[in-house]
Amino acid sequence: QKEVEQNSGPLSVPEGAIASLNCTYSDRGSQSFFWYRQYSGKSPELIMFIYSNGDKEDGRFTAQLNKASQYVSLLIRDSQPSDSATYLCAVRDTDKLIFGTGTRLQVFP
Amino acid sequence: DADVTQTPRNRITKTGKRIMLECSQTKGHDRMYWYRQDPGLGLRLIYYSFDVKDINKGEISDGYSVSRQAQAKFSLSLESAIPNQTALYFCATSDAYGYTFGSGTRLTVV
Repeated sequence: QKEVEQNSGPLSVPEGAIASLNCTYSDRGSQSFFWYRQYSGKSPELIMFIYSNGDKEDGRFTAQLNKASQYVSLLIRDSQPSDSATYLCAVRDTDKLIFGTGTRLQVFP
Repeated sequence: DADVTQTPRNRITKTGKRIMLECSQTKGHDRMYWYRQDPGLGLRLIYYSFDVKDINKGEISDGYSVSRQAQAKFSLSLESAIPNQTALYFCATSDAYGYTFGSGTRLTVV
């Protein structure tokens, strides 16, 4: 059974700080990785995806992938209270996604 | 209009009743999925379909069935609902860049 692990949190950071969210996965052959944001009671929204080792930046978000260590992380710069949500890491397994249980992020003013 | 539409948004049903959750999409994707979400357990795959002739079981298909009526429509049925099927259900479509989720159906079985 392929697994995706995330710390459930909550991760609490002050407004303006960098939030660092981490995810590890069990299948060394995994190629595609996704970060979703989910507000309470709402559907997940795609933030970004990453395929290659290294960093990928999109606005305040940076995804980092290290295939050798089997982890992927999401950095949120200049965190805002509106970033408070659960962040889901997902790994593609052939043609479906396997999700972690999510990390709850709280950004306090 | 939303790209992926789920109906109903909320439903309360009694144990033993049959219930159908419906999903339609305008994204033109072939691939459609049904997930359920429970607190602390994340999103778990129930069924998925890659085209109208293709149905595949996910990790938690017992107690559920699906029908792919057209490329744009994928419905999930609970033949005889039980209380531990109380959850938030999401339909999703996908392309190479990830999933698009519907707004979800909150189902309560009493």
